[in-house]
Amino acid sequence: GAVVSQHPSWVICKSGTSVKIECRSLDFQATTMFWYRQFPKQSLMLMATSNEGSKATYEQGVEKDKFLINHASLTLSTLTVTSAHPEDSSFYICSARPSHGPTEAFFGQGTRLTVV
Amino acid sequence: GENVEQHPSTLSVQEGDSAVIKCTYSDSASNYFPWYKQELGKGPQLIIDIRSNVGEKKDQRIAVTLNKTAKHFSLHITETQPEDSAVYFCAAVGVDSSYKLIFGSGTRLLVRP
Repeated sequence: GAVVSQHPSWVICKSGTSVKIECRSLDFQATTMFWYRQFPKQSLMLMATSNEGSKATYEQGVEKDKFLINHASLTLSTLTVTSAHPEDSSFYICSARPSHGPTEAFFGQGTRLTVV
Repeated sequence: GENVEQHPSTLSVQEGDSAVIKCTYSDSASNYFPWYKQELGKGPQLIIDIRSNVGEKKDQRIAVTLNKTAKHFSLHITETQPEDSAVYFCAAVGVDSSYKLIFGSGTRLLVRP
């Protein structure tokens, strides 16, 4: 099946620093990638839709200047959490939808971010 | 926009019994309904999906049914095993070009040995 690799799987950073998370589709091209945030024992909340070569579309309430998304190629999207604060600590998950084919979306393994 | 409700929030069954999780959606234009299994500390894994032109789909011990009129779909797991224990999410995808997945709130399934 299609593989989506997310890196790093966990990261600890200090308040005020920035953290970049990568999402790669390993064996398919993905015009569209999605970024989710998940708090403990809760569902996945869509943060933004990342489209290759264009600006990301953010969901209501998500600060675009804080969560910078770049989708520079058909196999890579990055999420940068800028000026991180403890309340940004969460599980961040990406998914990628193949450019050609049905509607399935495949998920990365997630990144556990802890801001201290 | 689309809204997906999922029940129950927790489900405990004896090994070998069946488990059923139900979801309802609000947007009648939604046409794709995947189910994901998420184990602790991992990303969701697609286990089965169904499209709006199909009423039922089965894959070994897992089946999904869709009732478009009532706007609800269900996941059925038969002969449950301890390794089925996880959180299960239903989702719906609309017909617009974004293909955004809208998730249900999740069901924590515990299969007791």
